[in-house]
Amino acid sequence: DSGVTQTPKHLITATGQRVTLRCSPRSGDLSVYWYQQSLDQGLQFLIQYYNGEERAKGNILERFSAQQFPDLHSELNLSSLELGDSALYFCASSVAGGQEDTQYFGPGTRLTVL
Amino acid sequence: DQQVKQNSPSLSVQEGRISILNCDYTNSMFDYFLWYKKYPAEGPTFLISISSIKDKNEDGRFTVFLNKSAKHLSLHIVPSQPGDSAVYFCAASGVSGSARQLTFGSGTQLTVLP
Repeated sequence: DSGVTQTPKHLITATGQRVTLRCSPRSGDLSVYWYQQSLDQGLQFLIQYYNGEERAKGNILERFSAQQFPDLHSELNLSSLELGDSALYFCASSVAGGQEDTQYFGPGTRLTVL
Repeated sequence: DQQVKQNSPSLSVQEGRISILNCDYTNSMFDYFLWYKKYPAEGPTFLISISSIKDKNEDGRFTVFLNKSAKHLSLHIVPSQPGDSAVYFCAASGVSGSARQLTFGSGTQLTVLP
């Protein structure tokens, strides 16, 4: 158990809909990261928040957005969903995001878009 | 453009033998490297890491070697155990803009045969 929690574990929805994925970081961690893992692919970095502020953006679509709240939990919002958005979405957290800062991953949310 | 490559999608070894997983990277700005292990239906779990100022780091049965001139790293597992069967991801850390990001390889499925 990494100490990172994600809800829900599974989500099934239809094209065009909007969903929200939630992540609670490990106690004491200030940085939260979101990744997408599509079928047979590696983890693609989406976005990072540090202490409530956006710090880095990766390959995140404009239809996707995220935020980190004062209690440090984070939400990833996916809108106008398409079939290709079906994937595993992982959240990770780390202390601060420094060089030797290890990211610890949650169990993931499996999103299926029908 | 894959900056971190794991060219072997799968590897099978006998229990008790050595497992060697390889990873190549192209970006010379990466200065910290990590290996994660992932079981089905779970998030990636941190295994071992190495800074670019070192060429070897050992932790129990796991050793990571870094060859900076070749931009190559490898993970050695000795002796391999059936419980080591999982997908192994190589990740490279570097500063992009004002933040540090992890770039993952596509993973290698290790199967340890009893």
